[in-house]
Amino acid sequence: EPEVTQTPSHQVTQMGQEVILRCVPISNHLYFYWYRQILGQKVEFLVSFYNNEISEKSEIFDDQFSVERPDGSNFTLKIRSTKLEDSAMYFCASSDWTSGASYEQYFGPGTRLTVT
Amino acid sequence: AQSVTQPDIHITVSEGASLELRCNYSYGATPYLFWYVQSPGQGLQLLLKYFSGDTLVQGIKGFEAEFKRSQSSFNLRKPSVHWSDAAEYFCAVCGTSGTYKYIFGTGTRLKVLA
Repeated sequence: EPEVTQTPSHQVTQMGQEVILRCVPISNHLYFYWYRQILGQKVEFLVSFYNNEISEKSEIFDDQFSVERPDGSNFTLKIRSTKLEDSAMYFCASSDWTSGASYEQYFGPGTRLTVT
Repeated sequence: AQSVTQPDIHITVSEGASLELRCNYSYGATPYLFWYVQSPGQGLQLLLKYFSGDTLVQGIKGFEAEFKRSQSSFNLRKPSVHWSDAAEYFCAVCGTSGTYKYIFGTGTRLKVLA
């Protein structure tokens, strides 16, 4: 069964450093998402991406965040200058865009980002 | 504002007992509804979903959920809990148009006593 993959599974970085979290969505999916979950809290929407542009972003997704689909398979989340409060689990998700199936998102296993 | 409420932060049940986890939503129209389970340090696993039709939906691992439009609720149930069901459970909604982003509840942590 196709699945969303994410790398790395765990990333440790120092405050102020740039990090790139990588995701490979399911191959025929066209909608892509990033969510984050701070330890012990709920999962929060960050951004959605469709047709090579951001379709919606939350207030969390400020100028230090960016997303990109650099090729036909990868979907990346970049945090330019990490802060301690960026420490969280980041989930990538993708969804199909055919005949009403677009609302079901398939989640990757997550990348745990630790900022020290 | 769109929101999902899971009133119970923690629930403890004995193995073999029945379980009901509550979920209420606030949304402009009837959204699509989901329940996910998350084991410690793990990702999100979809238990079940409701889009339309029969308001009682069956999921994996013996779970079911009932959509009640009049109460804006989508409660998760299981008739007999197993120790392996101990985990965190999240209710989520998404709109039926637009970007289909998910809005998650705060989660309910389930503890199962042997």
